Amino acid sequence: QVQLKESGPGLVQPSETLSLTCTVSGFSLTSNSVHWVRQPPGKGLEWMGIIRSGGSTDYNSALKSRLSISRDTSKSQVFLKMNSLQTEDTAIYYCTRSGFVWELDYWGQGVMVTVSS
Amino acid sequence: DIQMTQSPSLLSASVGDRVTLNCKASQNINKNLNWYQQKLGEAPKLLIYYTNNLQTGIPSRFSGSGSGTDYTLTISSLQPEDVATYFCFQYNSGPTFGGGTKLELK
Repeated sequence: QVQLKESGPGLVQPSETLSLTCTVSGFSLTSNSVHWVRQPPGKGLEWMGIIRSGGSTDYNSALKSRLSISRDTSKSQVFLKMNSLQTEDTAIYYCTRSGFVWELDYWGQGVMVTVSS
Repeated sequence: DIQMTQSPSLLSASVGDRVTLNCKASQNINKNLNWYQQKLGEAPKLLIYYTNNLQTGIPSRFSGSGSGTDYTLTISSLQPEDVATYFCFQYNSGPTFGGGTKLELK
């Protein structure tokens, strides 16, 4: 069955770089797109970016200068890197997939990232 | 960027009630809108995609409608398990989520 699972450090120092991995199973990264979405504690959802089945990417304009999404199709993994972290980046980070339409139909469980010294 | 405004932000209703949640876009989003349900401590769950298409496995009491800038999620008969926060999401341009409607039981 379709599964996505995020992994990465739970704590990051301010000004440092966040690196997260989304490991997927049950579908191919060359057939579906993968998105990153985050949610600060007690707040709403923010779409961060997408890596499409063909490998192209798009980013939230507010994060574009700090964010990079890439993948390794042989390992069924998608990577998020975001630099210059601040306390406002403290959030649960989710990866989610879509097909032809932006359904965001399957989601990972999310990984909590705290930015603190 | 397109702004998505959900109303009300908090809704109290009784079991069996017909419930309507609203989502208004700052410009035409051409029906490119999904609805998600998020229960406490869980990831969001897709309910409706492209305005009015029910995701597989979602109960038929959920339905979506709308066009242009105004969209609605309707629960025809509220059940206790529907207590959650509901988010709309537009993907027409510069994807954005609404701020959410928290649905509680009266």
